[in-house]
Amino acid sequence: SQTIHQWPATLVQPVGSPLSLECTVEGTSNPNLYWYRQAAGRGLQLLFYSVGIGQISSEVPQNLSASRPQDRQFILSSKKLLLSDSGFYLCAWSDMDTQYFGPGTRLTVL
Amino acid sequence: DQQVKQNSPSLSVQEGRISILNCDYTNSMFDYFLWYKKYPAEGPTFLISISSIKDKNEDGRFTVFLNKSAKHLSLHIVPSQPGDSAVYFCAAKSANTGTASKLTFGTGTRLQVTL
Repeated sequence: SQTIHQWPATLVQPVGSPLSLECTVEGTSNPNLYWYRQAAGRGLQLLFYSVGIGQISSEVPQNLSASRPQDRQFILSSKKLLLSDSGFYLCAWSDMDTQYFGPGTRLTVL
Repeated sequence: DQQVKQNSPSLSVQEGRISILNCDYTNSMFDYFLWYKKYPAEGPTFLISISSIKDKNEDGRFTVFLNKSAKHLSLHIVPSQPGDSAVYFCAAKSANTGTASKLTFGTGTRLQVTL
């Protein structure tokens, strides 16, 4: 069966510091991968998606970037965090129409 | 532009009764719809989905109804249980997103099932 991992689970970072969140998927090959953010009291906003290694599509202009160095690895990064980057970050994978989510990372920028 | 709307931010239902969660959409290109359940500090869990070629899909206590002419779908939970207390997200996929299967999510409805 497929499983999806995210780490770290929680992170507190100062404004201006870099960020690296990692997501890995097991039990499937060539999945579509997605990064979402859920701000407090809001819905899920799609940030990036990838249909293959090295292929990244950005949905909204922002302070973040994504990379897919391996088939089942998806990384969310920032060079300098802003206060507005605080939120709950979710990675998801799909093979057809349904997306399956990881446990999420709670990021607090102070 | 909120293409998927869940107009009720919260809903309270007694245990054993029916919970009905509603979702409206505006994009006529949406052809696949999903419901997710989310507990605090966890990722959403897929519950049930429906294709636009159907008007009903059932899985145990969960049934999703789709009314394409009204651009409306609903999730029925019967009977409701305390463990169903969570935030429920409606999501939709457009027919023209290629291989990416991008989903557009509503803002969620918080369901509380009381004893």
